[in-house]
Amino acid sequence: EVQLVESGGGLVQPGGSLRLSCAASGFTFSSYGMNWVRQAPGRGLEWVSTITSSGGTTYYADSVKGRFTISRDISKNTLSLQMNSLRAEDAAVYYCARLSSSWDNDYWGQGTLVTVSS
Amino acid sequence: EIVLTQSPATLSLSPGERATLSCRASQSVSSYLTWYQQKPGQAPRLLIYAVSNRATGIPARFSGSGSGTDFTLTISSLEPEDFAVYYCQQRSNWPRTFGQGTKLEIK
Repeated sequence: EVQLVESGGGLVQPGGSLRLSCAASGFTFSSYGMNWVRQAPGRGLEWVSTITSSGGTTYYADSVKGRFTISRDISKNTLSLQMNSLRAEDAAVYYCARLSSSWDNDYWGQGTLVTVSS
Repeated sequence: EIVLTQSPATLSLSPGERATLSCRASQSVSSYLTWYQQKPGQAPRLLIYAVSNRATGIPARFSGSGSGTDFTLTISSLEPEDFAVYYCQQRSNWPRTFGQGTKLEIK
């Protein structure tokens, strides 16, 4: 069974940093690209970042480029999102999702909540 | 950036009725259009990919159609568990973008 479990969310002050993790199991992690997608409270879905299966290519939304870094550790089956210089508008539930062979988000984690407030 | 506009914002229907949800793109996304369903407090779920292909386990009452810039998600006969928010998403270009969602509510 495919499982994605996010962790690392919490309360952080504006300008602060946070590192999110997504533990993957039930599939060959190294064979799939992965995504981070976020959802601000009461709002819609927003794509944040993508990393290819090899980790060799990454993509970012303009709203996070230069502040967030996506990475993966194949040995630990873990996807990460390093978030720096956090702003109030980064507050959201962050979901990790697996990319299918057609590059769609076919499995999602339950999400982790990030709150940015002083 | 490709903007996806979903309509209507809210659709009020009764179980057993047919639901038609629209997604319009600001430029062609070819066939790279995906639909997700999200229920309150849950993660989104993949419904339809590449315009018209149902994801694993998705009932046949869900269907997708369209091409280029205009796409439709149809639910042929609504079941109680279908009342949720539906999002379209394009994977034609970077950045990936989602529509703002259509809330399907019980009338």
